Amino acid sequence: GENVEQHPSTLSVQEGDSAVIKCTYSDSASNYFPWYKQELGKRPQLIIDIRSNVGEKKDQRIAVTLNKTAKHFSLHITETQPEDSAVYFCAAEANDYKLSFGAGTTVTVRA
Amino acid sequence: IAGITQAPTSQILAAGRRMTLRCTQDMRHNAMYWYRQDLGLGLRLIHYSNTAGTTGKGEVPDGYSVSRANTDDFPLTLASAVPSQTSVYFCASSDQGSGGYTFGSGTRLTVV
Repeated sequence: GENVEQHPSTLSVQEGDSAVIKCTYSDSASNYFPWYKQELGKRPQLIIDIRSNVGEKKDQRIAVTLNKTAKHFSLHITETQPEDSAVYFCAAEANDYKLSFGAGTTVTVRA
Repeated sequence: IAGITQAPTSQILAAGRRMTLRCTQDMRHNAMYWYRQDLGLGLRLIHYSNTAGTTGKGEVPDGYSVSRANTDDFPLTLASAVPSQTSVYFCASSDQGSGGYTFGSGTRLTVV
């Protein structure tokens, strides 16, 4: 089955700086890559996603890039704010429509 | 109901007891999933259902069972709970092929 690895496991950034989280996946058939944000005690919520026919997607301060050849994708958060502090999960979905998740990255934005 | 609802919110359960976690969605999504979340391990798939009447095993199915009698409900049963099943359980649903999952608010289960 699909194996998704996510790095780093923790990330501390100064407010206003950028944060980058990287994920790799093993199944070359995977074609959908969502990112979820989970605040403490809350449910994971979809923040951005990308499909395999697109190399990059942006939504305000967040962007995701995908390199299908290398089988990795990344989340970029610019101009970080305290409310960006959360756990972020990457995921990959193959043709079976089941998501495999990375282990998560705890992002802390220092004021 | 708006979206996907899980019950109970939290539960302390004695080892060996049977427990059913409830999950209901009103979005008419065809697919539903149960994940467990453990620190450092992310979200791991327990069981899934692509459509009413069908179920399948995920990455960590042992000790759990599910049923999908209709589109809306997808209960998860622990037949005889063990301490290693202490976790936060999330139910999710999706309209397959249309995008990501919608998650329920989770059930925090402690087996003692």
